[in-house]
Amino acid sequence: AQSVTQLDSQVPVFEEAPVELRCNYSSSVSVYLFWYVQYPNQGLQLLLKYLSGSTLVESINGFEAEFNKSQTSFHLRKPSVHISDTAEYFCAVSDWGAQKLVFGQGTRLTINP
Amino acid sequence: DGGITQSPKYLFRKEGQNVTLSCEQNLNHDAMYWYRQDPGQGLRLIYYSQIVNDFQKGDIAEGYSVSREKKESFPLTVTSAQKNPTAFYLCASKRQNNEKLFFGSGTQLSVL
Repeated sequence: AQSVTQLDSQVPVFEEAPVELRCNYSSSVSVYLFWYVQYPNQGLQLLLKYLSGSTLVESINGFEAEFNKSQTSFHLRKPSVHISDTAEYFCAVSDWGAQKLVFGQGTRLTINP
Repeated sequence: DGGITQSPKYLFRKEGQNVTLSCEQNLNHDAMYWYRQDPGQGLRLIYYSQIVNDFQKGDIAEGYSVSREKKESFPLTVTSAQKNPTAFYLCASKRQNNEKLFFGSGTQLSVL
């Protein structure tokens, strides 16, 4: 079985500042890793994913995450945030069969002007 | 537009009442899922179905039931046995052997 821990429930930052949202996972098998974003009163949308290959993956809106197998982490980073990045971010893991996703508790990112 | 439609957006349940949440998708996806979202707890899997007429319990199936009579539909019934039903319920779907989940916009269930 897999599990995911998001270490911060809330992260407040100023606009244009860098941000890192932390995610650690636990699994006895090889995994796929994901970050999903939820804007207020909406469902979740896939932000980025790691399946294999390069350990650094990027999204189209400037976020990136790095898979670190030795530390079992998949932290999400952005060098300069915008007000529009205000949302809740969920880290998720699945085994290579990808039949079920296990989600972390979520991190609420708040951007202050 | 293809997508997942959840209805209603808001639902109220009286004590002892069963209520059913609708989830319909026109993406031709094989697998469908129901998650419950509570503040500070993330998403927890209630039930999932990988094929018509088959479904499996997730991590918190007690007090819930589902059916999968059609590929495009996966309704969730919250029964009176679910003592703490107030939550945001999210339906999702994906293609078999594809890892990306597509989510509906959710149903907020509250107890009167």
